[in-house]
Amino acid sequence: GENVEQHPSTLSVQEGDSAVIKCTYSDSASNYFPWYKQELGKGPQLIIDIRSNVGEKKDQRIAVTLNKTAKHFSLHITETQPEDSAVYFCAASRDSNYQLIWGAGTKLIIKP
Amino acid sequence: DVKVTQSSRYLVKRTGEKVFLECVQDMDHENMFWYRQDPGLGLRLIYFSYDVKMKEKGDIPEGYSVSREKKERFSLILESASTNQTSMYLCASRRQGDVLTFGAGSRLTVL
Repeated sequence: GENVEQHPSTLSVQEGDSAVIKCTYSDSASNYFPWYKQELGKGPQLIIDIRSNVGEKKDQRIAVTLNKTAKHFSLHITETQPEDSAVYFCAASRDSNYQLIWGAGTKLIIKP
Repeated sequence: DVKVTQSSRYLVKRTGEKVFLECVQDMDHENMFWYRQDPGLGLRLIYFSYDVKMKEKGDIPEGYSVSREKKERFSLILESASTNQTSMYLCASRRQGDVLTFGAGSRLTVL
């Protein structure tokens, strides 16, 4: 079946450094790629998403890049802060009406 | 702000018990979902509902059932709980074509 692989499973970075999380998807018809952040004790919350008609999208310190040819997309967080510590999930679907296929999650640890 | 409320944050049940997990959303969303979250496995879809009285199986429906008698409420039922159903359960809702809004989760332990 379709799947999304996410790496790394755990990422530890120094506060102020950048963090990159990568996902690869198998369904070539996928064209919607959201990223969710799950803080401790809370449900996942959408932080940014991208559609296949664009290659990059930015929102302040967060950016997502998409390479449709290689079927992978990445989340970039610059100038990391303690509040960035969380579990991040990538997902893919054919459009926002379809079911999401989820990555396994990345635990991001920001070291002070 | 859309609110998705899961009635129980923590439950401890015994093997064989019937378990009800309740989820209520307050924004008139058509679609509602139940996911299971386990470390290293991401979010796995158990059941979803496009509208009242409708339900569809997700990727891992075995051992679960659902009920959606009212638009705002989507219940997950474990008819006979087993230890391998110990997990975090997440409810989510959305307007058709919109982003998912999740509840805070219900952590179920089956002894």
